[in-house]
This record gives sequence, structure tokens and C-alpha cells, in this order.
Amino acid sequence: NAGVTQTPKFQVLKTGQSMTLQCAQDMNHNSMYWYRQDPGMGLRLIYYSASEGTTDKGEVPNGYNVSRLNKREFSLRLESAAPSQTSVYFCASREDYNTGELFFGEGSRLTVL
Amino acid sequence: GNSVTQMEGPVTLSEEAFLTINCTYTATGYPSLFWYVQYPGEGLQLLLKATKADDKGSNKGFEATYRKETTSFHLEKGSVQVSDSAVYFCALTGTSYDKVIFGPGTSLSVIP
Repeated sequence: NAGVTQTPKFQVLKTGQSMTLQCAQDMNHNSMYWYRQDPGMGLRLIYYSASEGTTDKGEVPNGYNVSRLNKREFSLRLESAAPSQTSVYFCASREDYNTGELFFGEGSRLTVL
Repeated sequence: GNSVTQMEGPVTLSEEAFLTINCTYTATGYPSLFWYVQYPGEGLQLLLKATKADDKGSNKGFEATYRKETTSFHLEKGSVQVSDSAVYFCALTGTSYDKVIFGPGTSLSVIP
């Protein structure tokens, strides 16, 4: 099983450019999440989707938008990238919004110059 | 609010040493508790979990017991290996809220 797949794995952007991180899961999970991980900051939740058709802000949503395209896919968009968005981004999913473990993708390393 | 506190490290141990990573939590209701592990360059993966008080989760020689009276879920391993070098995250979730709350992570290095 592929589990949670993220693309791209690496990306370099210039300040002001836009890009979309893609995430897909093949486990028929209802809930999906986007986190960022920075040195010394642990994991911080950006946005999540408790079920298809819903999205909610997490701890650090500013500068990001999300789309729950269907049950499988949850994308994260940076409209105008800033150096502060240099980070490793992780997508995760779980069966339901309030129970069970998270399954993570391998991460996407983004550098904004 | 709900939160997870864990020792941040870094922790450096010699191979075959005993490992304890402390984790305590604050939560409403009856949360489920998790330990996730992140190996270098990879995403997080579930190491073990416990869903109710006094449950013991175990996997790959690691153990943790859900202690409601002390609101703790300490991770232990009797004899660590170099391959256990990773970052370990304590986390909780519960039926009354829709997120997973993570601790800050503890970096472990095991030297031969």
C-alpha cells in the first residue's frame, strides 16, 4: 500500500512565487491534515479537513490555503511564498476526525529564497 | 487546554543502555495516547499507543503505560541500539476534540 503520498519531495521557490503541495491517501480515511516542522518548533498544524467538504484552520494558517479536492486528496497552496515558509511539510490522514492514529507522508522540503 | 509535555533532549546514550523519555499530559475526558518516531529524513510513524488507563502499549522493545493518576505515558526501552536513533514524539487525541496534540519531540542519539 502506498499510504500517504506527497509531491513534490523538494522544491525551491523565490519570494513571491506560488506553489501547491499535493497529498493523496489510499486508505479511505475521512480526515486529513497539513503540518509544518521547523527546528526546535516541533510539529505545527496548518490546516485540516475533518471530513470531505470541510476545512479548518490550525495553529499557523496565515499565508496558506487548502483544498479538499475529494476524499483522497488534500492540497496546500502558498499564494505568495515568503522565506518564513521555508520548512518541511507533512501531510497526514486518519480514519476519523477524533479517534485513531495518524498516518504520515514522507514530507516535502520547501526552501524559499 | 489540552497539552503534552515531554523532555526535549537531546538525549545521548551508549548502546545497550536503558532509555526513559518522560511524557505528561493535560486533557479533558479520556484521551488516547501515542508515541510516534521519526527516523532521519522520514515522516513520523506510530511506535505504540494506549487507549485507556492502565493499558500498556509495546512495539520493537519499547513500552509505555497509560497512567491516569499521574497523567503520564513515559516511553521505556531496556537496551537501546544505534538504529533507535531518532526523534520521539508523545501525542494525544480524544473523542471531544478533532486534533492530535503533539509534544515538542525528544531527539535520541545512540552511540556504539
